[in-house]
Amino acid sequence: KAGVTQTPRYLIKTRGQQVTLSCSPISGHRSVSWYQQTPGQGLQFLFEYFSETQRNKGNFPGRFSGRQFSNSRSEMNVSTLELGDSALYLCASSLEGPRNIQYFGAGTRLSVL
Amino acid sequence: TQLLEQSPQFLSIQEGENLTVYCNSSSVFSSLQWYRQEPGEGPVLLVTVVTGGEVKKLKRLTFQFGDARKDSSLHITAAQPGDTGLYLCAANFGNEKLTFGTGTRLTIIP
Repeated sequence: KAGVTQTPRYLIKTRGQQVTLSCSPISGHRSVSWYQQTPGQGLQFLFEYFSETQRNKGNFPGRFSGRQFSNSRSEMNVSTLELGDSALYLCASSLEGPRNIQYFGAGTRLSVL
Repeated sequence: TQLLEQSPQFLSIQEGENLTVYCNSSSVFSSLQWYRQEPGEGPVLLVTVVTGGEVKKLKRLTFQFGDARKDSSLHITAAQPGDTGLYLCAANFGNEKLTFGTGTRLTIIP
């Protein structure tokens, strides 16, 4: 079956703009988690959605938001982009949540100029 | 805040050598996962350990979960170039979040 699909793979934006990233989970998976990966901070948890509800949230400012649709697809939005938002954004899907095996997408590489 | 420290941060060895990477925390975790990430890809799960003292083997890879459930190690025997990648440990500290370690970047030289 198809894996986790993230679009777009690459994105270039300028400071102050906003961006929306998309994640299509594995069919049947109801939990989608988002992570930010940078060389300096490593992989950091942003938030997790389950059945269209945000169930957990990491320590990121309110500029980072997300949502999940009834088909489990998820989007994350970053508003008022800053240079420090440049990172690889990964989403992972699992059946019920992070206690289950998480399958990661290839990520969206965001560059903020 | 629970932190996971991995060591070493970087490791470069010759093909055929053995190596061990470590994952340590000051807090007890309920389970621990090891992932490998290759350039341009997301992390791929290698193993999950849940019981203190548990040892799991995956071909040339041996994973150990410390008795106190605060540390874990990954040992690779006879490393091969295909083992090159970023190795990440990730722990569940009893909540629904997965906390990732700082990572070990491994390079195997042919």
